[in-house]
Formats: sequence, structure tokens, C-alpha cells
Amino acid sequence: DAGVTQSPTHLIKTRGQQVTLRCSPKSGHDTVSWYQQALGQGPQFIFQYYEEEERQRGNFPDRFSGHQFPNYSSELNVNALLLGDSALYLCASSLGGLGYTFGSGTRLTVV
Amino acid sequence: AQRVTQPEKLLSVFKGAPVELKCNYSYSGSPELFWYVQYSRQRLQLLLRHISRESIKGFTADLNKGETSFHLKKPFAQEEDSAMYYCALMGQGAQKLVFGQGTRLTINP
Repeated sequence: DAGVTQSPTHLIKTRGQQVTLRCSPKSGHDTVSWYQQALGQGPQFIFQYYEEEERQRGNFPDRFSGHQFPNYSSELNVNALLLGDSALYLCASSLGGLGYTFGSGTRLTVV
Repeated sequence: AQRVTQPEKLLSVFKGAPVELKCNYSYSGSPELFWYVQYSRQRLQLLLRHISRESIKGFTADLNKGETSFHLKKPFAQEEDSAMYYCALMGQGAQKLVFGQGTRLTINP
């Protein structure tokens, strides 16, 4: 079991562009949560998906959106990128919201 | 409001010395508390959670509701304990983790 896999590992985008990050949960997990980790900070909760719906959302603007597919994998989309969106984006999967397993993250740099 | 505070960004101790990483939280209720660890070049992983009352890798953490603290302790530090440590809480009925800023622990030989 590869655990939680995220792609890509690194990404460089220009301000104003849009980006899509992908996450495959650990086998047997049905819930995917996304976190943003800025440099020198702890991870901050963006949102959580369960049964293909957004179940809970953190304090992030509507530019951040997501999707969960029938196979439980998930995408995080960020529109109109800002320099401040540069961060490590972590995906965590769980079964029903309990027992998180984290991925290695996608490092997004906005220039 | 839910908040987790780790007052020390950096902590350096010698091998064999006791270690205490501080964590204070703010939450109007009974949260679940966790410690996560991230070793160099590895992903974030759960170290321990307060409800399990386990000792993992020699680390323990006691929830003090009066002081709203959940400090992580180990009596004798080892070099392999060098890592980034994050304290986190999960509120009642919530599914999200609220993390502190983290403490980078360095164990000197």
C-alpha cells in the first residue's frame, strides 16, 4: 500500500493562473482533507470531502475549490493565483474522518 | 475560537537529557489532542493522541484541562528524536485538525 499519493510533487505557476493538485487516498479510506502549509507555519485546514461532497471548510476564499471522485481520489483547484498561495499543500485521507494519513505534499510556487 | 500555541519554534537539548515540548490550546469544550512528528524528508505522521494514553518511542503527553496544555515529554532524548513536532486539536464533532506552528527539536550528541 503506497499510502496517500499526491501529484505533482513540485509546481511553479505564474500569478493569475489556475492550478489543480491531485490526491489518491490510502486504500480503504473514504475521506480526503486538504491542508495548506506556509513556510514556517503549521498546516491549515482548507476543506474536507466525503461521499463526493464538501463536508467542512476552513477559512479560505472561494478561489479554492475541490472535488472528490467515486474512487475517493480528490483534486484541489486554486484560481487566480496570488503570490501568497505559495505553500506546501498536504492531502490527508481517513476513514470517516478518523485516523488521518498524510501525503508528502505538493510544493506550489507562485511567481 | 480554536487555537493551538507552541511557544518554542526551536528547542535544542543534549542526548540523554529530558525533553519537554510545550503545547497550549484554546477551545471551549473537550477536544481531542494530538502530537504529530515530521522527520527529515518524511511525511507528517501521528506520534500520539491523548485518548489512547500510549507511550510512543518513549514520548508521553498528559492533557491538563485546567491549564489547557498538552505538553510532550521524554525522559532521555535520543539523536533520532530530532524532527519537527506539531501539536494539534480536533474539536467535538469536527473533522478538521487545528495545528500549532510547530517546534523544531534538535538533539545534540
